[in-house]
Amino acid sequence: GQQVMQIPQYQHVQEGEDFTTYCNSSTTLSNIQWYKQRPGGHPVFLIQLVKSGEVKKQKRLTFQFGEAKKNSSLHITATQTTDVGTYFCAGQNAGGTSYGKLTFGQGTILTVHP
Amino acid sequence: ETGVTQSPTHLIKTRGQQVTLRCSSQSGHNTVSWYQQALGQGPQFIFQYYREEENGRGNFPPRFSGLQFPNYSSELNVNALELDDSALYLCASSLDSGVGRAQYFGPGTRLLVL
Repeated sequence: GQQVMQIPQYQHVQEGEDFTTYCNSSTTLSNIQWYKQRPGGHPVFLIQLVKSGEVKKQKRLTFQFGEAKKNSSLHITATQTTDVGTYFCAGQNAGGTSYGKLTFGQGTILTVHP
Repeated sequence: ETGVTQSPTHLIKTRGQQVTLRCSSQSGHNTVSWYQQALGQGPQFIFQYYREEENGRGNFPPRFSGLQFPNYSSELNVNALELDDSALYLCASSLDSGVGRAQYFGPGTRLLVL
């Protein structure tokens, strides 16, 4: 079945440093979504990428979808303590028995030291 | 906040028992998906309900079953509980069952099986 791998598992940064997490799927995706989960909280939708090579920005966050639609990345510029949490990518295939199924990566836990 | 509610927030059961978890979807959403999140892992897709029918299922045994009601709220039932069922159970509502719909998660039910 489809697998989504995410690296690194953990990332510790000093406030102001940049952060990147990478996501790779074993199959071609129709779209990829990114979520953030604060400690003790639930996943919160950040963004969706659909097109091959797509790049989207949200303030200090930059999201990319690979040309082959099998990988993605999230880059945070100049991290702040409010960025602390676990970042998940989640891929989705179109059609077949997996219709509507989101496959999550295992997440990257980001800690930011002030 | 997403407007998705879940009950109860916490639950302790013993092995072999049965449990029912409840979810109310966000207003205007007709699709509910259930996920299991073990500690330190990403959410794993259990199944999705659309218009009161199961519309996709992950790799979970038949003792995991669900319902969706005409008001789009949903239940997750787990029979013959096992220790490994201890996890955070998340429900997520979406606008519909189409590919590429953002998932809006509830706060989750934390289940402990002893």
